[in-house]
Amino acid sequence: DAGITQSPRYKITETGRQVTLMCHQTWSHSYMFWYRQDLGHGLRLIYYSAAADITDKGEVPDGYVVSRSKTENFPLTLESATRSQTSVYFCASGYLNTEAFFGQGTRLTVV
Amino acid sequence: SQQGEEDPQALSIQEGENATMNCSYKTSINNLQWYRQNSGRGLVHLILIRSNEREKHSGRLRVTLDTSKKSSSLLITASRAADTASYFCATNTGNQFYFGTGTSLTVIP
Repeated sequence: DAGITQSPRYKITETGRQVTLMCHQTWSHSYMFWYRQDLGHGLRLIYYSAAADITDKGEVPDGYVVSRSKTENFPLTLESATRSQTSVYFCASGYLNTEAFFGQGTRLTVV
Repeated sequence: SQQGEEDPQALSIQEGENATMNCSYKTSINNLQWYRQNSGRGLVHLILIRSNEREKHSGRLRVTLDTSKKSSSLLITASRAADTASYFCATNTGNQFYFGTGTSLTVIP
């Protein structure tokens, strides 16, 4: 099915552990984005990618790592999770200067 | 800091009334977009207005853009209970989308 899929939908992890959130899109969109959503802050851009092997920082990149070896995948890794990274994470994809399509989100809890 | 700021933060209206929410932003943009988010779900694109456009319509939605004031408004006419959601403006500055904190709209049947 065409679309953008995030996995897992829910994740609980311990402080200090590494965790990877997956994002897969089937449209071959050039751009992909990772956002986190927290109460009172709206959505904040973590990282984005303009194409395979091209990534760049957004507003809040510290503590996160991304890669994009294939156009369709854009995983987000928390190298050493902290409680402040408890959030809902959204992946999105699209073309330059057009609408973005969002995944259903991953709810991450760091305990 | 985020590009967009929506106003009001929360809005409650009766079904059939119109709902207006506003967005202000800080820098030059290529386009401005509005998205809806139902509780616990991902964001859904509603409408896009380019920087050289002043007004755009889509069904019951009307969007205006004033680049001199760096502001936009979203009007939902004849609201329905199903319009209950959070609404976000997003400014597109080429490579990046920046979202505001959103307006929570409640439509009372």
